[in-house]
Amino acid sequence: GNSVTQMEGPVTLSEEAFLTINCTYTATGYPSLFWYVQYPGEGLQLLLKATKADDKGSNKGFEATYRKETTSFHLEKGSVQVSDSAVYFCALNRGSSNTGKLIFGQGTTLQVKP
Amino acid sequence: GAVVSQHPSWVICKSGTSVKIECRSLDFQATTMFWYRQFPKQSLMLMATSNEGSKATYEQGVEKDKFLINHASLTLSTLTVTSAHPEDSSFYICSSLSGRVYNEQFFGPGTRLTVL
Repeated sequence: GNSVTQMEGPVTLSEEAFLTINCTYTATGYPSLFWYVQYPGEGLQLLLKATKADDKGSNKGFEATYRKETTSFHLEKGSVQVSDSAVYFCALNRGSSNTGKLIFGQGTTLQVKP
Repeated sequence: GAVVSQHPSWVICKSGTSVKIECRSLDFQATTMFWYRQFPKQSLMLMATSNEGSKATYEQGVEKDKFLINHASLTLSTLTVTSAHPEDSSFYICSSLSGRVYNEQFFGPGTRLTVL
């Protein structure tokens, strides 16, 4: 079945460090891939997305490239800030019927220290 | 972006009582809403898809008589946890599917339910 696997956290970095959060997926068909961010006490927000192979999603300095050959969608940022501290979820849209249903990874907590 | 609210943000109830959680899309109409459950340090698990004017579609393993969903208007869906038990304690999150932004879900802030 379809699934998403993320690297376990928490990930603790110093400010301005380089960030990578790994995400791999298993899916039939051609899913769309998403990264969501959940700041403390808030709901999930869409960070970026990619809808087909080799697409690169980007937003707020974060990037992720849809790699069909490695079934991956790793999240990267060149220089993190304290305000980036949050829980990050990788997700895929389930099925080709585009029902809007999402399958989430387990989430990765990022802690950025000044 | 679109705003989705949930009420209450947290609730504590006694075992055997029923609890209703509201999910509202504040500035757009949502024909489809989703209800998720999130356990501590775990992922969001889709419970059901709520469609305005029709019965909800439940995911495998979710008891529809336990978790009653009503989507009576284009801006409101409710989840009622009936005869709640301690194992129902969890973080419940709703999302609304926006027709303005194709296939994008907007999430509510979640409701923390604790059943004593």
